[in-house]
Amino acid sequence: EAAVTQSPRSKVAVTGGKVTLSCHQTNNHDYMYWYRQDTGHGLRLIHYSYVADSTEKGDIPDGYKASRPSQENFSLILELASLSQTAVYFCASSDRTGNTEVFFGKGTRLTVV
Amino acid sequence: QQKVQQSPESLIVPEGGMASLNCTSSDRNVDYFWWYRQHSGKSPKMLMSIFSNGEKEEGRFTVHLNKASLHTSLHIRDSQPSDSALYLCAASGMGYKLTFGTGTSLLVDP
Repeated sequence: EAAVTQSPRSKVAVTGGKVTLSCHQTNNHDYMYWYRQDTGHGLRLIHYSYVADSTEKGDIPDGYKASRPSQENFSLILELASLSQTAVYFCASSDRTGNTEVFFGKGTRLTVV
Repeated sequence: QQKVQQSPESLIVPEGGMASLNCTSSDRNVDYFWWYRQHSGKSPKMLMSIFSNGEKEEGRFTVHLNKASLHTSLHIRDSQPSDSALYLCAASGMGYKLTFGTGTSLLVDP
């Protein structure tokens, strides 16, 4: 099965601090995604990437930056963490977008205090 | 405005019963529909996909798709306690990102 590894699995951050969430996939997939999940909102797309050194904005990019230094790695960066960014974050990958399955990592629970 | 609407928000069915979940997209650019299942504290995993009008069956699970109305439904027969989970519908089109609904929380009551 496709493997997507996220780190850390949980994190407590202080308001105004910088947070970096990391994701590594061994699927040789071109596409990688960052979603956040809040109760009542399902999964919402923050940023995605279809090639190394390039990222695209998703539906809720404000307050987040992304970095794709290689095909395997995709990071989500919160430069100034805020209370409203407390959520569970999922990284995912797929062979291409559209008609192929998306594989998810186990998630990172971020709590901003 | 959520582009993928799911109903009901929550559903309780008895063990052995039938669960029916609905999903509609308001984006006419979508071509592909997906159902993901997420157990509590776990990551979403793809359950079924459907790309053409009609019906697709895999074991106890059946999905229907009406592309004209952009409506899909998932039916689970002989529901088991292990089916208790959050069911997420998603829609995508070629070159478009995958958009999820807010989910239906299913509880199978033993």
